[in-house]
Amino acid sequence: KNEVEQSPQNLTAQEGEFITINCSYSVGISALHWLQQHPGGGIVSLFMLSSGKKKHGRLIATINIQEKHSSLHITASHPRDSAVYICAVSSDGGSQGNLIFGKGTKLSVKP
Amino acid sequence: DGGITQSPKYLFRKEGQNVTLSCEQNLNHDAMYWYRQDPGQGLRLIYYSQIVNDFQKGDIAEGYSVSREKKESFPLTVTSAQKNPTAFYLCASSIQGGYGYTFGSGTRLTVV
Repeated sequence: KNEVEQSPQNLTAQEGEFITINCSYSVGISALHWLQQHPGGGIVSLFMLSSGKKKHGRLIATINIQEKHSSLHITASHPRDSAVYICAVSSDGGSQGNLIFGKGTKLSVKP
Repeated sequence: DGGITQSPKYLFRKEGQNVTLSCEQNLNHDAMYWYRQDPGQGLRLIYYSQIVNDFQKGDIAEGYSVSREKKESFPLTVTSAQKNPTAFYLCASSIQGGYGYTFGSGTRLTVV
């Protein structure tokens, strides 16, 4: 079983829809990261969080440490949001910079 | 602007040859990492370095080697011992504690 599981694997939405991507993990963590990977391959860090909730523009990330679960929400989705979204955790048993990655959620937003 | 530069973007290599992938950062980050990405799989850690002249193996280090002679540079050599080297390679850096995590744009290596 993977230590970091994401759902759904693929997601297609219409422009303007509210989107939720889920991440569950089975290890103790010091932090959780949400990353965005565009078709060219480059990855951008969206959030790093260890508790509660963070918001940046139309993106919101939440984490529930007790339930070992995090969600990434996108409000008023737009075709430019189309990308692969990756959840990754820093295990509290190892170096904090070494991340364990989920397989990603491929999001496609149609106009 | 600060960031990570990986070069080249695409690389072709003949089977049996060693090849070195470049990774340079001007973020003054202490820690640097190399990850490998294969279709349908999450990124996997090859090597990481938390300080100059020191590095540790990650989960899939076999067939790879690295050096960290300068804070800014963390080149990865894919040796002929790596049985399945065709993949997308990503370099990353962070300050201690995993803050400020920054990725390069990647190098796609194809063995022909």
